[in-house]
Amino acid sequence: VVMTQSPLSLPVTLGQPASISCRSSQSLVHSDGNTYLNWFQQRPGQSPRRLIYKVSNRDSGVPDRFSGSGSGTDFTLTISRVEAEDVGVYYCMQGTSWPTFGQGTKVEIK
Amino acid sequence: QVQLVESGGGVVQPGTSLRLSCTASGFTFSGFAMHWVRQAPGKGLEWVAIISRDGSSKYYADSVKGRFTISRDNSKNTVYLEMNSLRAEDTAIYYCAKEEAPMVHGDHWGQGTLVTVSS
Repeated sequence: VVMTQSPLSLPVTLGQPASISCRSSQSLVHSDGNTYLNWFQQRPGQSPRRLIYKVSNRDSGVPDRFSGSGSGTDFTLTISRVEAEDVGVYYCMQGTSWPTFGQGTKVEIK
Repeated sequence: QVQLVESGGGVVQPGTSLRLSCTASGFTFSGFAMHWVRQAPGKGLEWVAIISRDGSSKYYADSVKGRFTISRDNSKNTVYLEMNSLRAEDTAIYYCAKEEAPMVHGDHWGQGTLVTVSS
């Protein structure tokens, strides 16, 4: 399954919203009815950190300004108000079949 | 709290072997599948290998199949990645990651260990 993110670079203004799109080459709905689409954040020099699992479930400790949505083959990560600590690369990843990542979206402050 | 600590990285020549280790703490290791994921310098993430809770099932990316072997020792809370016939394109940071539940991947990650394959 090929995961395609857009944009690949996202300059944002502090306090403004930001959205990242992720499309899969085939439906991510598993035969068990779940959709295994995750979002990860990788800050500069750090390991990836999972933010969202199964499309819209926020991980423990993740600020509520992060939200995930979508279905089938189209998914979105939204940051409601960007903060300086949100700078980094964001990856979508599907686990419905062999795990694959999107190319990554680099979020930077304007 | 959950901790994953990788070790064993280094600089090796093409065609040689290396074994990575990832030691876990803070959770019941034998209760979860474990994964290896890599990231080439300045590049994105690639899933490398997955091992089931009891080690009976193993899965590999096509890029490493036949060259890499994942294993685990639940008595030592450790997962391994044996890498043979290393190539320049295997140069990457190798992370171990814990599986939260089947197909719910990567709730915790280690800090990574760098493998450089160069002559």
